[in-house]
Amino acid sequence: DVKVTQSSRYLVKRTGEKVFLECVQDMDHENMFWYRQDPGLGLRLIYFSYDVKMKEKGDIPEGYSVSREKKERFSLILESASTNQTSMYLCASSLRRRASTDTQYFGPGTRLTVL
Amino acid sequence: GEDVEQSLFLSVREGDSSVINCTYTDSSSTYLYWYKQEPGAGLQLLTYIFSNMDMKQDQRLTVLLNKKDKHLSLRIADTQTGDSAIYFCAESHPSSSASKIIFGSGTRLSIRP
Repeated sequence: DVKVTQSSRYLVKRTGEKVFLECVQDMDHENMFWYRQDPGLGLRLIYFSYDVKMKEKGDIPEGYSVSREKKERFSLILESASTNQTSMYLCASSLRRRASTDTQYFGPGTRLTVL
Repeated sequence: GEDVEQSLFLSVREGDSSVINCTYTDSSSTYLYWYKQEPGAGLQLLTYIFSNMDMKQDQRLTVLLNKKDKHLSLRIADTQTGDSAIYFCAESHPSSSASKIIFGSGTRLSIRP
């Protein structure tokens, strides 16, 4: 079974702090994604990566950056957290590039609260 | 542009059928998906349908696709309390780099006794 794990289920940070959210997948997937989920808005793509050290902006990249130094690990970074970044963050991975059938496998999510 | 729309809430009686509807705008989508999110968990793929198909059935789940109207539906027969969850409709969006998926806002299904 594919397993996608996220470093924390719940996180509370203060405005202005630097925040790291870590995601690890154990199935040698090429693609990894970071979404945020907000009530009534569904999932919105922040960034994705299709290879080590490769990244592309999603729909809402402002205020975020990412890092993919190893194939299995994809980190989301909030350089200076703000209250409007309070949300549920979901990481996902899928097997191959450019394959429309690719199922995305999701982690359990990290609920981040910025005070 | 890309947009996937679905109603936010649906309430059904236990044992009845649930029908969750979705509309999408990208006619180039090759696959359409239904994901399920149980409370406190990530999303889990329920089923998907290729765009040249009209229907797909898998046990209690039936997916209907009307490509002309860009309308997708998920029918759950004999709805049980364990079906309580948020259901997301999604469409594939092939890009030059990775296979992206565009999600709807999710339909929260609640079950009445």
